[in-house]
Amino acid sequence: DTGVSQDPRHKITKRGQNVTFRCDPISEHNRLYWYRQTLGQGPEFLTYFQNEAQLEKSRLLSDRFSAERPKGSFSTLEIQRTEQGDSAMYLCASSLVEGGNYGYTFGSGTRLTVV
Amino acid sequence: AQKITQTQPGMFVQEKEAVTLDCTYDTSDPSYGLFWYKQPSSGEMIFLIYQGSYDQQNATEGRYSLNFQKARKSANLVISASQLGDSAMYFCAMREDNFGNEKLTFGTGTRLTIIP
Repeated sequence: DTGVSQDPRHKITKRGQNVTFRCDPISEHNRLYWYRQTLGQGPEFLTYFQNEAQLEKSRLLSDRFSAERPKGSFSTLEIQRTEQGDSAMYLCASSLVEGGNYGYTFGSGTRLTVV
Repeated sequence: AQKITQTQPGMFVQEKEAVTLDCTYDTSDPSYGLFWYKQPSSGEMIFLIYQGSYDQQNATEGRYSLNFQKARKSANLVISASQLGDSAMYFCAMREDNFGNEKLTFGTGTRLTIIP
């Protein structure tokens, strides 16, 4: 297990369609995070899980977005009824919390284009 | 107010020169962590260096060092002896260590281009 994997790398979809992204974290990491990055900006936090529990959701995560992490392993992020404003890079990260100092390992992201 | 400010949208540096990327932050929490990430065109965010707010010494990782000036709320990244492979976007980020907070807040980034 060499890192965080995200699938697909690229997704082009028509407005109104549903899309689902997958993230496989580093196996021993207990926390998993989703971020969104639009062009020219830094990543923005969407949500995070500790094991299978979703502990925090950003206001950016509208009702059309849902994230799951069944069994505390991989996670999926679904966007329903996509809009052009959803076009962005969706980044997943994972971490192992030990003490107060821990880092985050990011995946290569899924680039979503809504046409 | 912006929590993380990176004022340099782009920088051009000659190969083998040192480069400093600026980052200032804003927080009222006494405990926080500061991170620098590199993002090449492939999209992956690569962790470079971490500085905790209570760390007495500036963090160093190989060619990377963090110039931490707590009173000025700045956390500049210094890359020594730059290489062509250093060309990428660089992001400064902060995690405020108040209870239950897990999110990183990122700046808008600096695009670094190394000139041969």
